[in-house]
Amino acid sequence: AQKITQTQPGMFVQEKEAVTLDCTYDTSDQSYGLFWYKQPSSGEMIFLIYQGSYDEQNATEGRYSLNFQKARKSANLVISASQLGDSAMYFCAMRPLYNFNKFYFGSGTKLNVKP
Amino acid sequence: DAGVTQSPTHLIKTRGQQVTLRCSPKSGHDTVSWYQQALGQGPQFIFQYYEEEERQRGNFPDRFSGHQFPNYSSELNVNALLLGDSALYLCASSLTHRKGYTFGSGTRLTVV
Repeated sequence: AQKITQTQPGMFVQEKEAVTLDCTYDTSDQSYGLFWYKQPSSGEMIFLIYQGSYDEQNATEGRYSLNFQKARKSANLVISASQLGDSAMYFCAMRPLYNFNKFYFGSGTKLNVKP
Repeated sequence: DAGVTQSPTHLIKTRGQQVTLRCSPKSGHDTVSWYQQALGQGPQFIFQYYEEEERQRGNFPDRFSGHQFPNYSSELNVNALLLGDSALYLCASSLTHRKGYTFGSGTRLTVV
């Protein structure tokens, strides 16, 4: 069974500072993809970053980077230089690479960026 | 290029009624997945449609059913609504066997 754990229900960060959102996962699969999505109050899930289980380097996408520690089964999201528009729910998700059909999502972290 | 379009955006139904939610996938995508997101939780996989057939199903009762049309659009039907069915229902489309998924903004269903 697959399980995604996000232990931080809510986080505060000062504008322009960096913040790390934690994610751990449990899977017996060897091949999988890890994703982070942002969900503003509008409801849409916005793709941020992807890390494949066999990727040796940590993924980066602009201000987003993923701190992937495979042995620890963790995939933390780092947002650098936080902006007010970063305030939203953030979800970590996993999808087995043998099964493109479904995502397993964590319970999310509510990030609030303070001016 | 339009993304995933869902309708309606909001809906209020009475317990025991039936509801139909609609999804138009992103242009070029042929696969549609549906997720239920209860308040304060992450999305849960309901099912996925490809070539007009249900390809995989999550842990949801038969009250939840769907359909995919030849133009790849999809409907989610829920019968005998329960209060616990109140949630945001998200549709996601993709091109089969590819990594990229695009989510819509969802339909917020309230059952009273």
